[in-house]
Amino acid sequence: AQKITQTQPGMFVQEKEAVTLDCTYDTSDQSYGLFWYKQPSSGEMIFLIYQGSYDEQNATEGRYSLNFQKARKSANLVISASQLGDSAMYFCAMREGRGSTLGRLYFGRGTQLTVWP
Amino acid sequence: NAGVTQTPKFRVLKTGQSMTLLCAQDMNHEYMYWYRQDPGMGLRLIHYSVGEGTTAKGEVPDGYNVSRLKKQNFLLGLESAAPSQTSVYFCASSYQSSAEQFFGPGTRLTVL
Repeated sequence: AQKITQTQPGMFVQEKEAVTLDCTYDTSDQSYGLFWYKQPSSGEMIFLIYQGSYDEQNATEGRYSLNFQKARKSANLVISASQLGDSAMYFCAMREGRGSTLGRLYFGRGTQLTVWP
Repeated sequence: NAGVTQTPKFRVLKTGQSMTLLCAQDMNHEYMYWYRQDPGMGLRLIHYSVGEGTTAKGEVPDGYNVSRLKKQNFLLGLESAAPSQTSVYFCASSYQSSAEQFFGPGTRLTVL
């Protein structure tokens, strides 16, 4: 079974609108972390936001927020006021508590976001 | 700070050739990772290291070897390249296992 599922291969949003990118995860651990990375067409991986499983508040970083619903095992990324430069591939990733000395990330297959004027 | 750098950025190999990819980080991070990214896929862990002189296998280690002789460097070797190893390779590092990982710019490898 996949650890991270991103069901939206592609999403389109108009500039200045908000968009939600879906992510569900699968783990039996109590301690885990959820990450979102952005990969523009240039190819680099850019860290956006992190949510720990024990964090009570949803994480926010500027225009990015993570809608964390623990019972539903979802960690959706919300981008407010989209900009043309937000067009990129977005990856959700999880670090499990088990084997935490490793810190390996499990990645989803990504969502390609296109922002149009 | 340069962050995480990777050498080379692009490489074309013939089947059976060998090569080494170099990853360097100047953030004094203990943890380093090698991932590969294939079309339509997220990243998959090849090998990792939790400190100088240590290495361990990840999810897809076959056909690769690694070494971490210095804390700042993590080398990924292909002894006998195969077309299935055509991919984009990313190196990452973090100061502890629970921290965010910083990624290098990637190496695009084609094996003919």
